[in-house]
Amino acid sequence: AQSVTQPDIHITVSEGASLELRCNYSYGATPYLFWYVQSPGQGLQLLLKYFSGDTLVQGIKGFEAEFKRSQSSFNLRKPSVHWSDAAEYFCAVSGGGADGLTFGKGTHLIIQP
Amino acid sequence: DTAVSQTPKYLVTQMGNDKSIKCEQNLGHDTMYWYKQDSKKFLKIMFSYNNKELIINETVPNRFSPKSPDKAHLNLHINSLELGDSAVYFCASSRGQENEQYFGPGTRLTVT
Repeated sequence: AQSVTQPDIHITVSEGASLELRCNYSYGATPYLFWYVQSPGQGLQLLLKYFSGDTLVQGIKGFEAEFKRSQSSFNLRKPSVHWSDAAEYFCAVSGGGADGLTFGKGTHLIIQP
Repeated sequence: DTAVSQTPKYLVTQMGNDKSIKCEQNLGHDTMYWYKQDSKKFLKIMFSYNNKELIINETVPNRFSPKSPDKAHLNLHINSLELGDSAVYFCASSRGQENEQYFGPGTRLTVT
C-alpha cells in the first residue's frame, strides 16, 4: 500500500529565511507526486506536481520541489518565505488515472517576523 | 468562475438525520472524488468516480452513498448521521492519467 510521511508536524521559519519541508513516500511503481497548501478555513491549492522528466519542478508562489528516487523523497523548498506562506502543507502520492491521492499528515508552517 | 464548488459550506445537524452535500465542477474533468478531513487535518480518500462510474470505494460505512448524475456533478448522501461523521468533506476533480486534482472549498459538517 502506498504511504506518505511528513516527519515535521510544525516548522517555524523567520520571514525572509529559506524553507525546506520534507516528504518521503512509499509506492511500488513510478509515483505521481504533489504538494498542496491549505490556508486556514480554505480548500487545498496545488503548488506543484511531478509526473516524469526533470526531477526539479517549479510551482506557484516561488516554490520548487526535487524528486529523488533513491531516497523516495519529494522535498518542497522556497528560498525566501513571506508571512503569507503561513499555512498547512500536504504532500501526496497517487498512481495516476482515477486513483485517489494518499496524503501525508501535513506540516504546519509558522512564519515569525 | 469557480472551478469546483460545493454546497453547503457549513452543515450543522443532529445525530440520526440524513443529509446531502453537492459538488459541481466546470473544468470538463471526467473524474471526481470525495475526501474526508478529520479534526487533526488528516485527509483520506472516500470515493472516486470516473465518467459516472464508481472506481474507488474505500472503507467507508455504507451510510455514505455517492451519486453522480453526470460527469460534472458528484453528490454525497449520508444516512443516519453519527457524531464521528463530523469533519470537513472535500470534493475534487481531475482529468486524464496525470491525476492532477483540483479541490472545492470544503463542507464543514457538524453533527450534534
